[in-house]
Amino acid sequence: NAGVTQTPKFRILKIGQSMTLQCTQDMNHNYMYWYRQDPGMGLKLIYYSVGAGITDKGEVPNGYNVSRSTTEDFPLRLELAAPSQTSVYFCASSYSNSGGRYGYTFGSGTRLTVV
Amino acid sequence: QKEVEQNSGPLSVPEGAIASLNCTYSDRGSQSFFWYRQYSGKSPELIMFIYSNGDKEDGRFTAQLNKASQYVSLLIRDSQPSDSATYLCAVRSNTNAGKSTFGDGTTLTVKP
Repeated sequence: NAGVTQTPKFRILKIGQSMTLQCTQDMNHNYMYWYRQDPGMGLKLIYYSVGAGITDKGEVPNGYNVSRSTTEDFPLRLELAAPSQTSVYFCASSYSNSGGRYGYTFGSGTRLTVV
Repeated sequence: QKEVEQNSGPLSVPEGAIASLNCTYSDRGSQSFFWYRQYSGKSPELIMFIYSNGDKEDGRFTAQLNKASQYVSLLIRDSQPSDSATYLCAVRSNTNAGKSTFGDGTTLTVKP
Protein backbone atom coordinates (compact mmCIF):
# COMPACT_ATOMS: atom_id res chain seq x y z
CA ASN A 1 0.00 0.00 0.00
CA ALA A 2 1.95 3.01 -1.30
CA GLY A 3 -0.54 5.74 -0.30
CA VAL A 4 0.00 8.92 -2.34
CA THR A 5 2.94 8.91 -4.73
CA GLN A 6 4.32 12.11 -6.27
CA THR A 7 6.93 12.46 -8.98
CA PRO A 8 9.38 14.02 -9.47
CA LYS A 9 10.75 14.89 -6.04
CA PHE A 10 12.86 17.78 -7.33
CA ARG A 11 12.84 19.80 -10.53
CA ILE A 12 14.49 22.94 -11.84
CA LEU A 13 12.64 24.70 -14.65
CA LYS A 14 13.63 27.65 -16.76
CA ILE A 15 11.22 30.55 -17.10
CA GLY A 16 8.65 29.79 -19.77
CA GLN A 17 9.05 26.01 -19.66
CA SER A 18 6.18 23.68 -18.86
CA MET A 19 5.95 20.49 -16.85
CA THR A 20 3.53 18.04 -15.29
CA LEU A 21 3.66 16.99 -11.66
CA GLN A 22 2.35 13.48 -11.26
CA CYS A 23 0.19 12.25 -8.37
CA THR A 24 -1.20 8.76 -7.88
CA GLN A 25 -3.05 7.25 -4.94
CA ASP A 26 -3.97 3.63 -4.33
CA MET A 27 -6.47 4.09 -1.49
CA ASN A 28 -9.55 4.52 -3.69
CA HIS A 29 -10.06 8.04 -2.35
CA ASN A 30 -12.54 10.15 -4.27
CA TYR A 31 -11.21 13.49 -3.11
CA MET A 32 -7.82 14.73 -4.30
CA TYR A 33 -6.09 18.07 -3.84
CA TRP A 34 -3.05 20.03 -4.94
CA TYR A 35 -1.47 22.47 -2.49
CA ARG A 36 1.61 24.63 -2.66
CA GLN A 37 3.70 25.61 0.32
CA ASP A 38 6.00 28.61 0.23
CA PRO A 39 8.80 28.88 2.82
CA GLY A 40 7.50 29.49 6.34
CA MET A 41 3.92 29.48 5.15
CA GLY A 42 0.95 27.20 5.32
CA LEU A 43 -0.61 25.32 2.45
CA LYS A 44 -2.51 27.10 -0.29
CA LEU A 45 -5.05 25.13 -2.35
CA ILE A 46 -4.43 25.19 -6.10
CA TYR A 47 -7.00 22.74 -7.50
CA TYR A 48 -9.14 19.93 -6.21
CA SER A 49 -11.25 17.07 -7.49
CA VAL A 50 -14.19 15.20 -6.01
CA GLY A 51 -13.99 12.32 -8.48
CA ALA A 52 -12.97 11.25 -11.95
CA GLY A 53 -13.90 13.88 -14.51
CA ILE A 54 -14.63 16.58 -11.93
CA THR A 55 -12.16 19.32 -11.02
CA ASP A 56 -12.41 22.82 -9.63
CA LYS A 57 -10.22 25.79 -8.79
CA GLY A 58 -8.88 26.47 -5.35
CA GLU A 59 -7.42 29.61 -3.86
CA VAL A 60 -4.41 30.05 -6.19
CA PRO A 61 -5.15 28.38 -9.58
CA ASN A 62 -3.53 30.88 -11.97
CA GLY A 63 -0.75 29.35 -14.03
CA TYR A 64 -1.85 25.77 -13.35
CA ASN A 65 -4.18 23.21 -14.80
CA VAL A 66 -5.37 19.75 -13.77
CA SER A 67 -7.20 16.74 -15.09
CA ARG A 68 -8.75 13.70 -13.40
CA SER A 69 -9.37 10.90 -15.87
CA THR A 70 -9.21 8.12 -13.26
CA THR A 71 -9.82 7.84 -9.52
CA GLU A 72 -6.12 7.13 -8.98
CA ASP A 73 -4.40 9.92 -10.94
CA PHE A 74 -4.49 13.69 -10.52
CA PRO A 75 -1.66 15.39 -12.48
CA LEU A 76 -0.91 19.11 -12.13
CA ARG A 77 0.26 20.96 -15.23
CA LEU A 78 2.39 24.11 -15.08
CA GLU A 79 2.32 26.15 -18.25
CA LEU A 80 4.87 28.92 -18.91
CA ALA A 81 6.71 28.60 -15.60
CA ALA A 82 7.40 31.80 -13.66
CA PRO A 83 9.70 32.45 -10.66
CA SER A 84 6.57 32.97 -8.51
CA GLN A 85 5.82 29.27 -8.97
CA THR A 86 8.96 28.30 -7.08
CA SER A 87 7.51 26.33 -4.20
CA VAL A 88 6.95 22.89 -2.72
CA TYR A 89 3.90 21.16 -4.17
CA PHE A 90 1.92 18.60 -2.24
CA CYS A 91 -0.74 16.28 -3.53
CA ALA A 92 -3.23 14.94 -0.99
CA SER A 93 -6.20 12.62 -0.99
CA SER A 94 -9.08 11.85 1.32
CA TYR A 95 -12.18 9.76 1.70
CA SER A 96 -15.38 11.51 0.82
CA ASN A 97 -17.91 11.36 3.59
CA SER A 98 -20.45 13.48 5.33
CA GLY A 99 -19.06 15.55 8.15
CA GLY A 100 -15.59 15.87 6.61
CA ARG A 101 -14.19 13.76 9.42
CA TYR A 102 -11.30 12.28 7.50
CA GLY A 103 -7.95 13.97 7.28
CA TYR A 104 -5.67 14.06 4.30
CA THR A 105 -2.96 11.66 3.24
CA PHE A 106 -0.16 13.64 1.66
CA GLY A 107 2.39 12.69 -0.93
CA SER A 108 6.06 13.35 -0.26
CA GLY A 109 6.05 16.57 -2.26
CA THR A 110 7.77 18.05 -5.30
CA ARG A 111 10.30 20.80 -4.74
CA LEU A 112 10.19 23.07 -7.82
CA THR A 113 12.58 25.89 -8.59
CA VAL A 114 11.99 28.21 -11.55
CA VAL A 115 15.07 30.13 -12.69
CA GLN B 1 -8.22 38.42 9.06
CA LYS B 2 -6.89 35.03 8.07
CA GLU B 3 -9.37 32.16 8.02
CA VAL B 4 -7.12 30.06 10.26
CA GLU B 5 -4.62 31.72 12.57
CA GLN B 6 -1.94 30.08 14.65
CA ASN B 7 0.62 31.38 17.11
CA SER B 8 3.49 32.39 14.87
CA GLY B 9 6.10 30.96 17.20
CA PRO B 10 8.67 29.67 17.28
CA LEU B 11 7.85 27.89 20.49
CA SER B 12 10.61 26.39 22.59
CA VAL B 13 10.04 24.09 25.56
CA PRO B 14 12.37 21.89 27.63
CA GLU B 15 12.17 18.15 27.33
CA GLY B 16 9.42 16.73 29.54
CA ALA B 17 7.38 19.95 29.58
CA ILE B 18 3.90 20.53 28.14
CA ALA B 19 3.79 22.27 24.77
CA SER B 20 0.62 24.23 24.01
CA LEU B 21 -0.26 25.13 20.43
CA ASN B 22 -3.22 27.35 19.63
CA CYS B 23 -5.40 27.97 16.61
CA THR B 24 -8.42 30.19 15.91
CA TYR B 25 -10.71 30.05 12.89
CA SER B 26 -13.22 32.44 11.37
CA ASP B 27 -15.78 30.19 9.64
CA ARG B 28 -18.48 29.18 12.11
CA GLY B 29 -19.66 26.52 9.65
CA SER B 30 -16.45 24.55 10.08
CA GLN B 31 -17.08 20.99 11.18
CA SER B 32 -13.80 19.19 11.62
CA PHE B 33 -10.44 20.27 12.94
CA PHE B 34 -7.10 18.65 12.33
CA TRP B 35 -3.55 18.89 13.54
CA TYR B 36 -0.75 17.89 11.21
CA ARG B 37 2.90 17.55 12.11
CA GLN B 38 5.49 18.49 9.49
CA TYR B 39 9.14 17.73 9.99
CA SER B 40 11.57 19.96 8.12
CA GLY B 41 11.69 19.01 4.45
CA LYS B 42 8.91 16.44 4.81
CA SER B 43 5.21 16.32 4.06
CA PRO B 44 2.47 16.95 6.66
CA GLU B 45 1.32 13.96 8.68
CA LEU B 46 -2.07 13.79 10.39
CA ILE B 47 -1.71 13.38 14.15
CA MET B 48 -5.07 14.42 15.63
CA PHE B 49 -8.57 15.34 14.59
CA ILE B 50 -11.53 16.56 16.61
CA TYR B 51 -15.10 17.51 15.72
CA SER B 52 -16.93 17.71 19.04
CA ASN B 53 -16.54 20.33 21.74
CA GLY B 54 -14.25 19.24 24.53
CA ASP B 55 -11.06 17.24 24.69
CA LYS B 56 -9.77 14.31 22.72
CA GLU B 57 -6.74 12.43 23.95
CA ASP B 58 -4.38 10.15 22.06
CA GLY B 59 -1.29 9.12 23.96
CA ARG B 60 0.72 12.24 24.80
CA PHE B 61 -1.45 14.43 22.56
CA THR B 62 -4.68 16.18 23.57
CA ALA B 63 -6.78 18.22 21.16
CA GLN B 64 -9.23 20.72 22.61
CA LEU B 65 -12.11 22.32 20.74
CA ASN B 66 -14.34 25.23 21.72
CA LYS B 67 -16.72 26.02 18.86
CA ALA B 68 -18.34 28.96 20.65
CA SER B 69 -14.93 30.65 20.92
CA GLN B 70 -13.79 29.26 17.53
CA TYR B 71 -10.68 27.94 19.14
CA VAL B 72 -8.68 24.73 18.78
CA SER B 73 -5.59 23.75 20.69
CA LEU B 74 -3.08 20.92 20.81
CA LEU B 75 -1.31 19.96 24.01
CA ILE B 76 1.76 17.75 23.90
CA ARG B 77 2.61 16.26 27.28
CA ASP B 78 6.08 15.04 28.23
CA SER B 79 7.53 16.73 25.15
CA GLN B 80 10.40 14.91 23.47
CA PRO B 81 13.09 16.22 21.11
CA SER B 82 11.44 14.08 18.42
CA ASP B 83 8.35 16.33 18.73
CA SER B 84 10.38 19.21 17.27
CA ALA B 85 8.52 20.08 14.08
CA THR B 86 6.04 22.53 12.60
CA TYR B 87 2.43 21.91 13.60
CA LEU B 88 -0.28 22.88 11.14
CA CYS B 89 -3.85 23.50 12.20
CA ALA B 90 -6.45 22.72 9.51
CA VAL B 91 -10.16 23.42 9.43
CA ARG B 92 -12.50 21.47 7.20
CA SER B 93 -16.10 21.98 6.16
CA ASN B 94 -18.42 19.03 5.67
CA THR B 95 -19.56 20.60 2.40
CA ASN B 96 -17.62 22.09 -0.48
CA ALA B 97 -15.62 18.98 -1.35
CA GLY B 98 -14.24 18.74 2.16
CA LYS B 99 -11.57 21.29 1.44
CA SER B 100 -9.26 22.11 4.31
CA THR B 101 -7.90 25.55 5.11
CA PHE B 102 -4.53 25.54 6.81
CA GLY B 103 -2.89 27.92 9.21
CA ASP B 104 0.71 28.99 8.63
CA GLY B 105 1.95 26.63 11.32
CA THR B 106 3.78 26.93 14.62
CA THR B 107 7.34 25.66 14.86
CA LEU B 108 8.05 23.78 18.08
CA THR B 109 11.54 23.07 19.38
CA VAL B 110 11.96 20.72 22.32
CA LYS B 111 15.35 21.19 23.97
CA PRO B 112 17.01 18.21 25.70
